[in-house]
Amino acid sequence: NAGVTQTPKFQVLKTGQSMTLQCAQDMNHEYMSWYRQDPGMGLRLIHYSVGAGITDQGEVPNGYNVSRSTTEDFPLRLLSAAPSQTSVYFCASSYSGPGNRNSPLHFGNGTRLTVT
Amino acid sequence: AQSVTQLDSHVSVSEGTPVLLRCNYSSSYSPSLFWYVQHPNKGLQLLLKYTSAATLVKGINGFEAEFKKSETSFHLTKPSAHMSDAAEYFCVVSDMGNTGGFKTIFGAGTRLFVKA
Repeated sequence: NAGVTQTPKFQVLKTGQSMTLQCAQDMNHEYMSWYRQDPGMGLRLIHYSVGAGITDQGEVPNGYNVSRSTTEDFPLRLLSAAPSQTSVYFCASSYSGPGNRNSPLHFGNGTRLTVT
Repeated sequence: AQSVTQLDSHVSVSEGTPVLLRCNYSSSYSPSLFWYVQHPNKGLQLLLKYTSAATLVKGINGFEAEFKKSETSFHLTKPSAHMSDAAEYFCVVSDMGNTGGFKTIFGAGTRLFVKA
């Protein structure tokens, strides 16, 4: 039972490079989301999805793109990395469908990204 | 729009004394509320959740929280702190998003220090 799997665990990019952070879950969860965690700011929601083919912006979406072609996968794309995107990124999922807001989030172990 | 305010960025207690971590929220709907804990260099673990049933919610490791709608608060308490409780704690609200589902917003976190 893998739960939520994030890859890679660590990544160093140069300014302007692009990359994709991968997130996969095997729990058949409808809801998936991406957060970034910065010291003193908690976790801030980047993008989220309530099901395959549906995505929406969170609190800090600029500089990030997402898509949700399958229930299992929810990749996060950085098109042109900036030093301000240095952070720890967490993917999370829950069973929440559109009418179920009570399911807790299950988190991956995080990706530590450094942009130089 | 929903928001979560954790009133203390740091709380320091002595082992064996009570713990109080404060959280206020705003929501345009009837929200679900959660507390998560994050130990150093680890992912996030659910402590407890409020989902419009009993207003006093019991969680793992002796923690509990009381939902007070009139005060829009969801404070986390524990009668007697243990050294192992030292961690960062996040108050979380789940509320209506734009795509008909629910999105989850985190507070900035409260770091709990426990002195021997």
